[in-house]
Amino acid sequence: EIVLTQSPATLSLSPGERATLSCRASQSVSRYLAWYQQKPGQAPRLLMYDASNRATGIPARFSGSGSGTDFTLTISSLEPEDFAVYYCQQRSNWPTFGQGTKVEIK
Amino acid sequence: EVQLVESGGGLVKPGGSLRLSCAASGFTFSPCSMNWVRQAPGKGLEWISFISSTNNYIYYADSVKGRFTISRDNAKNSLYLQMDSLRAEDTALYYCARDGSYANYPHYFDYWGQGALVTVSS
Repeated sequence: EIVLTQSPATLSLSPGERATLSCRASQSVSRYLAWYQQKPGQAPRLLMYDASNRATGIPARFSGSGSGTDFTLTISSLEPEDFAVYYCQQRSNWPTFGQGTKVEIK
Repeated sequence: EVQLVESGGGLVKPGGSLRLSCAASGFTFSPCSMNWVRQAPGKGLEWISFISSTNNYIYYADSVKGRFTISRDNAKNSLYLQMDSLRAEDTALYYCARDGSYANYPHYFDYWGQGALVTVSS
């Protein structure tokens, strides 16, 4: 099983600030990594797939990068609706998710 | 608009069974691969099962293999999860999720339902 480790566990930022979230895989997943956003009481929403491709309808302030074992999700300027929990997921092997990073209002 | 609506959740005793359903609408269901993903209360996400468009490829996570059975009825635009020999650790919100590819193994999950809560407790 490929283990995904996300850091930090919690990110405290203000609206308008830049958010940088990390996801590290226990072995190479090539570029087969996705990011999801989940708000309280809601289902996850696909943001990025194959490391750097934005899903349908996702704003350009979200970007993804990385390959191999190290990946980053960047939110260039936080909007109020971006405060949520973010998960990474790999599909190189049977799908696994990271434990999540909570982006909270500072 | 793509919609996935789960039903069939509830409270069940350890060792019991439950069948979840997922009704799909707003897209052409038959060519799409589908998945079940669960989330224990206050915890992260766990993929548990995949089924290809024509039922030819079916996969399970080790945690549910031999106890859960995924199936689909393309004529009814529906996905199912038969859960047997339930354990306390199966307590979770179960999401039906469309696979973002037409491949024969799970990729990414581009649309999700709102989930069905399954509680396993005596």
